[in-house]
Amino acid sequence: NAGVTQTPKFQVLKTGQSMTLQCAQDMNHNSMYWYRQDPGMGLRLIYYSASEGTTDKGEVPNGYNVSRLNKREFSLRLESAAPSQTSVYFCASSEAGGSHQPQHFGDGTRLSIL
Amino acid sequence: QKEVEQNSGPLSVPEGAIASLNCTYSDRGSQSFFWYRQYSGKSPELIMSIYSNGDKEDGRFTAQLNKASQYVSLLIRDSQPSDSATYLCAVNLNTGGFKTIFGAGTRLFVKA
Repeated sequence: NAGVTQTPKFQVLKTGQSMTLQCAQDMNHNSMYWYRQDPGMGLRLIYYSASEGTTDKGEVPNGYNVSRLNKREFSLRLESAAPSQTSVYFCASSEAGGSHQPQHFGDGTRLSIL
Repeated sequence: QKEVEQNSGPLSVPEGAIASLNCTYSDRGSQSFFWYRQYSGKSPELIMSIYSNGDKEDGRFTAQLNKASQYVSLLIRDSQPSDSATYLCAVNLNTGGFKTIFGAGTRLFVKA
């Protein structure tokens, strides 16, 4: 059981380049999330999708877009990468968006913007 | 004031001791509280969840919740070197949506 799979695991971009981070889950979860993690700042929510067909902004959405392609897949796009977006990105999913549901995380994508 | 606050540590305890990790939160209406463990270079993994006031035990781990004081803690008994990691406190806000706020984490070192 793979759980939450993120690709790529590592990526180096130049400022201004674009790219899409991919995330897929095989747990039949309804809700999916994208976080970034920077040293000393914990996990910050970028966007989330409560269910297939819906997306909403989190705490730090600027510079990002998302697509909930289907129930399994939730992608994060950087249209014009900036050095401030250098971070570790985690995708997560939960069974439903209800308050009591814990989240399951992928292994992360380590992204460097030069 | 940050919505979820944790002492960044590092917290250092000898092997076999009790490690006590603390977390405070600002949203009084929060309903769900989680502790995640994150090893260096790895993703967070859930170790405990708690929703009601009081204690919840699971093996060597005990989560404690006091909603009146807006305080949640994690006790690790018989600490082992393998417990050395960063522990993240997470709170699901009472927003009607699905917003989870994570603390910045407490680094724990268990000395053999």
